[in-house]
Amino acid sequence: GAGVSQSPSNKVTEKGKDVELRCDPISGHTALYWYRQRLGQGLEFLIYFQGNSAPDKSGLPSDRFSAERTGESVSTLTIQRTQQEDSAVYLCASSINLSGGATYNEQFFGPGTRLTVL
Amino acid sequence: QQQVKQSPQSLIVQKGGISIINCAYENTAFDYFPWYQQFPGKGPALLIAIRPDVSEKKEGRFTISFNKSAKQFSLHIMDSQPGDSATYFCAADPNYGGATNKLIFGTGTLLAVQP
Repeated sequence: GAGVSQSPSNKVTEKGKDVELRCDPISGHTALYWYRQRLGQGLEFLIYFQGNSAPDKSGLPSDRFSAERTGESVSTLTIQRTQQEDSAVYLCASSINLSGGATYNEQFFGPGTRLTVL
Repeated sequence: QQQVKQSPQSLIVQKGGISIINCAYENTAFDYFPWYQQFPGKGPALLIAIRPDVSEKKEGRFTISFNKSAKQFSLHIMDSQPGDSATYFCAADPNYGGATNKLIFGTGTLLAVQP
């Protein structure tokens, strides 16, 4: 079946503009994650959604960053008043969240959106 | 406490050789350790993972060695092939089987296997 898809694949914007990044998770996956990958660095957790529970926003670097998810489907990550340090690849992942069991909930990643802030 | 330290940053190996990537962690609450492989322009994909109740896990040419007392784990790629050239990330999960799987990633190792 289809994997995680993200759009756009590339986004170039000017400093101070707002951007919206979209993620379509794998159908049936209840958990959705956003990560940021700066050049030459590891993935940095941003936010986690699980079903209708309140999202875990502990990784968002500032109040310019926000994310929404409608039910168990599409999610959008919004960055307001973009800064040059926001330039990175933004990765989305989804998983079937089977809590309490002995199964690790493998995260399936999308190809990412490369954001460049000029 | 929440860091995973990965080394080396880059690695060049001849075809047929063994590639070894090391990771270390401090937080003993981490209880699941996946390795991800990432090709250019693609998202990371799970390669192999281990729980701390075993010292080694092997899948084909890929082996994870885990040293719980030293809080270290490593990825060994046997008979390395040019197709293995990618960036490898170790990670740790402090919420195994729990409500979230918020992975803590290492900084990555760029592996180049020369033909």
